[in-house]
Amino acid sequence: GENVEQHPSTLSVQEGDSAVIKCTYSDSASNYFPWYKQELGKGPQLIIDIRSNVGEKKDQRIAVTLNKTAKHFSLHITETQPEDSAVYFCAASKGGTYKYIFGTGTRLKVLA
Amino acid sequence: GAGVSQSPRYKVAKRGQDVALRCDPISGHVSLFWYQQALGQGPEFLTYFQNEAQLDKSGLPSDRFFAERPEGSVSTLKIQRTQQEDSAVYLCASSLNRDRAYEQYFGPGTRLTVT
Repeated sequence: GENVEQHPSTLSVQEGDSAVIKCTYSDSASNYFPWYKQELGKGPQLIIDIRSNVGEKKDQRIAVTLNKTAKHFSLHITETQPEDSAVYFCAASKGGTYKYIFGTGTRLKVLA
Repeated sequence: GAGVSQSPRYKVAKRGQDVALRCDPISGHVSLFWYQQALGQGPEFLTYFQNEAQLDKSGLPSDRFFAERPEGSVSTLKIQRTQQEDSAVYLCASSLNRDRAYEQYFGPGTRLTVT
């Protein structure tokens, strides 16, 4: 079945450094790729998304890139801050539908 | 404005008990989703409503799970005869309309522990 692999599972960076999280997907019909940030005890918060007709999208310190041929997409956070510490999930739409397939998450720790 | 809210935030049930979990979506959001999130994992799709119509329940793990949204707003996820494997966080998400079903906004979840 369709799946989304996410790496690394944990990531520690020094404050001010960049962080990169990578995901690969298997469903070639996937056309929407959101990224969520989940803090302890809270629900996932949508932070950025990208559609399959776009290769890159940026929002302040956050950017996402998509390589449809290779079926992978990445989240880039620059100038990391302690408040960026959380679990980040990538997801891919199943086919062209509303169903998301989530990755297993990356726990990001930003060290002050 | 107010986001998606869920209640209760925590629920402890003895094995065999029935539970009901409530979701209040963002006002005006047509689409509503339920997900199950096991510890250390990403959310997994359970079911989808468009207004009051349950259009997809393919992710419900067994016939002990039942969801409803009778007036197209508040939704309830009911689990009958709870089992230990039902222990998880149950997340509700809503989306503005069918065409924008992709942008889903999540509530804080209900953590269910079955003892």
